[in-house]
Amino acid sequence: DAGVIQSPRHEVTEMGQEVTLRCKPISGHDYLFWYRQTMMRGLELLIYFNNNVPIDDSGMPEDRFSAKMPNASFSTLKIQPSEPRDSAVYFCASSLRAVSTDTQYFGPGTRLTVL
Amino acid sequence: GEDVEQSLFLSVREGDSSVINCTYTDSSSTYLYWYKQEPGAGLQLLTYIFSNMDMKQDQRLTVLLNKKDKHLSLRIADTQTGDSAIYFCAAVSGGYNKLIFGAGTRLAVHP
Repeated sequence: DAGVIQSPRHEVTEMGQEVTLRCKPISGHDYLFWYRQTMMRGLELLIYFNNNVPIDDSGMPEDRFSAKMPNASFSTLKIQPSEPRDSAVYFCASSLRAVSTDTQYFGPGTRLTVL
Repeated sequence: GEDVEQSLFLSVREGDSSVINCTYTDSSSTYLYWYKQEPGAGLQLLTYIFSNMDMKQDQRLTVLLNKKDKHLSLRIADTQTGDSAIYFCAAVSGGYNKLIFGAGTRLAVHP
């Protein structure tokens, strides 16, 4: 398997623009996670899905952030409108089973810069 | 909820052993993990330990778990320059099906 695939790898945009990050989990994995990594706050869980259904979105910073998983092989994280403080590396991860019983595999991340 | 803490920086000489420490708060955590992140890359799973174990060895890596003190350590034997990276400890937040990460320990290996 190719592992978790994320696109784009780098994104530079201007404040106010819409940003869409994409993720393809490992085939057969039932769980998908979106994380954000910054120097100040470290690695934060934003939202996770189980069988395409959002289970916990308590880490989503505000209404400007939204995530979808229309099918088992694709998820998006959208920021609209984007702000400079959204600049971070966004990781997608997937696991076969629940976090308490299985390991998570991470994608390479999308480095987002909002000017 | 779960809180995971690590020291932020460790410097070792090439060939020495490195020990990275981590503490966590949720005693019901079932799995504890060590991830490695190289510059510009994602997190790579290094190893993990189940909570009913107190030690796990995998080639140059040894994980020790002290459940009573909620303390986890990662020992890297014969540390090489290629081991220079940030190492993250992570624990399952028992009641929330989430993985909580520490801030990461930056390991610098010098000749």
